[in-house]
Amino acid sequence: DAGVTQSPTHLIKTRGQQVTLRCSPKSGHDTVSWYQQALGQGPQFIFQYYEEEERQRGNFPDRFSGHQFPNYSSELNVNALLLGDSALYLCASSNKSRLAGPYEQYFGPGTRLTVT
Amino acid sequence: KNQVEQSPQSLIILEGKNCTLQCNYTVSPFSNLRWYKQDTGRGPVSLTIMTFSENTKSNGRYTATLDADTKQSSLHITASQLSDSASYICVVSELTGGGNKLTFGTGTQLKVEL
Repeated sequence: DAGVTQSPTHLIKTRGQQVTLRCSPKSGHDTVSWYQQALGQGPQFIFQYYEEEERQRGNFPDRFSGHQFPNYSSELNVNALLLGDSALYLCASSNKSRLAGPYEQYFGPGTRLTVT
Repeated sequence: KNQVEQSPQSLIILEGKNCTLQCNYTVSPFSNLRWYKQDTGRGPVSLTIMTFSENTKSNGRYTATLDADTKQSSLHITASQLSDSASYICVVSELTGGGNKLTFGTGTQLKVEL
């Protein structure tokens, strides 16, 4: 049973460029949440997708956008990259039917983005 | 503003010793509280999840407590091992109309030494 997978593992981009990160949820999960984790900080919630729509969003600018595909996988897109976007980007999957309760959320290994 | 504060920020203990990590929160309305273990460069892994009605939950050598009245939680690690070296993150869930919304603490960095 594959857990949450993310690609790529590492990425280096230049300021102003655009980046796309990918996530495949754990088998049986239909909800994907994205987080940004700066060095030495806790993860910050970016947004959550289920049924191919953005359902919740944290305090991130519109430069951060996402998409969920019919197979539940998801992409995180960041436009006009800033140096401050350098972070570990985590994807977590869960099951929509459990969202109202103490649902279990499984994290992927993350994508380390460095903006130079 | 909902906040989760953890203490200490970092901790060094000797292998075999016990330790307790603290978490205070202001999240409301409260839904549940989680403790995660995060190894460097990896995604967090869930240790425990507690709802309002639970005041203690164990997972092997990890025991979490919750006092919903004082909005405090602790994570006790017994007989520490070198592999316990990691960041321990307290996460509090707020129940919203759209489901649970998670607020993460900044973590306690634990190092276990010989």
